[in-house]
Amino acid sequence: DVKVTQSSRYLVKRTGEKVFLECVQDMDHENMFWYRQDPGLGLRLIYFSYDVKMKEKGDIPEGYSVSREKKERFSLILESASTNQTSMYLCASTSPGRGYNSPLHFGNGTRLTVT
Amino acid sequence: GEDVEQSLFLSVREGDSSVINCTYTDSSSTYLYWYKQEPGAGLQLLTYIFSNMDMKQDQRLTVLLNKKDKHLSLRIADTQTGDSAIYFCAEKAAGNKLTFGGGTRVLVKP
Repeated sequence: DVKVTQSSRYLVKRTGEKVFLECVQDMDHENMFWYRQDPGLGLRLIYFSYDVKMKEKGDIPEGYSVSREKKERFSLILESASTNQTSMYLCASTSPGRGYNSPLHFGNGTRLTVT
Repeated sequence: GEDVEQSLFLSVREGDSSVINCTYTDSSSTYLYWYKQEPGAGLQLLTYIFSNMDMKQDQRLTVLLNKKDKHLSLRIADTQTGDSAIYFCAEKAAGNKLTFGGGTRVLVKP
């Protein structure tokens, strides 16, 4: 079974703090993604990575950056947290080339509150 | 750009069938997915359908795809209380990037 692990379930940070959200997957997946989930808006893609040290902007990258130094780990960084970044953050991974179906496997999410 | 829409809420009695609807705009979609999210958890893949199919059945789940109207539905037969969750449809066009709908919260009443 694929396991995607997010290091924290709940985080509370202050405005202006630098925040790191960590995600690790154990299936040697090339592709990793960070989404945020807000009520009524579904999941919106922040950043994704197709390989180590590679990153691509998603739909809402402003205020975020990412790091992919190792294949299994994909970090989301909030350089200076703001209250509008209070949200549920979901990490996902997948591997291309596995036939026609390469679904995303999700972690359990990190609920971040910025006060 | 891509846009995927779902109704926000569905209430159904235990034992009845549930039908969750989804519309999308990207005609180049290759795969469409249904994910389930239980409280406090991440998203779990329920089922998927390739864009050249119009129906797929998997035990209690039936997926219908009307490609002409860009309409996707998920039918859950004999709905159980354990089916209470948020259901997301998602489409995959180019690459492995998915676009998700806003999610439909399904409440199953005993």
